[in-house]
Amino acid sequence: GDSVTQMEGPVTLSEEAFLTINCTYTATGYPSLFWYVQYPGEGLQLLLKATKADDKGSNKGFEATYRKETTSFHLEKGSVQVSDSAVYFCALTLPGRRALTFGSGTRLQVQP
Amino acid sequence: DAGVTQSPTHLIKTRGQQVTLRCSPKSGHDTVSWYQQALGQGPQFIFQYYEEEERQRGNFPDRFSGHQFPNYSSELNVNALLLGDSALYLCASSSGAARNTEAFFGQGTRLTVV
Repeated sequence: GDSVTQMEGPVTLSEEAFLTINCTYTATGYPSLFWYVQYPGEGLQLLLKATKADDKGSNKGFEATYRKETTSFHLEKGSVQVSDSAVYFCALTLPGRRALTFGSGTRLQVQP
Repeated sequence: DAGVTQSPTHLIKTRGQQVTLRCSPKSGHDTVSWYQQALGQGPQFIFQYYEEEERQRGNFPDRFSGHQFPNYSSELNVNALLLGDSALYLCASSSGAARNTEAFFGQGTRLTVV
């Protein structure tokens, strides 16, 4: 079945460091890919998305590129801030399907 | 715009009891999905409602049931609660039934079964 695999956390970085959170997927068909963020005590917020191969999603300094050849959608940010501390979820959905399939999440801790 | 609202925020139930969770979708949205998020895990899809009908269901037993009302709000019911049902239950709303392209999530209901 469809699945999403994320790197395990926590990822601990100093402020202004470069961030990469790896995400790979397995899907039958051509999924749309998403990154969601969950701040402490809150629900999930859509961070960015990409709907076809080679698309780059970007928002708030975060970027991810849909790589069909490597079935990956790695999240990157050039300079993290303390306020970026949260849990990040990679997810996919297939055309015509109704469900999001999530990875297990990666906790990011940014220290001042 | 209040976004997606869920109630209650926290709930403690005893094993074997029944529980009802409620969700009001974001204004303009007509589709509601429910997810279960166990501690330290990603959300797992339970089911989705559109036009007051269950359109798709994840791998959850029949103890989990739902309903959508004409105003698009939704309820999730869980019967015969088990300790393993303890989790954060998230409601997500979106527009249209064809695909789940951009879902907006509520803050969730934290259910503890003792």
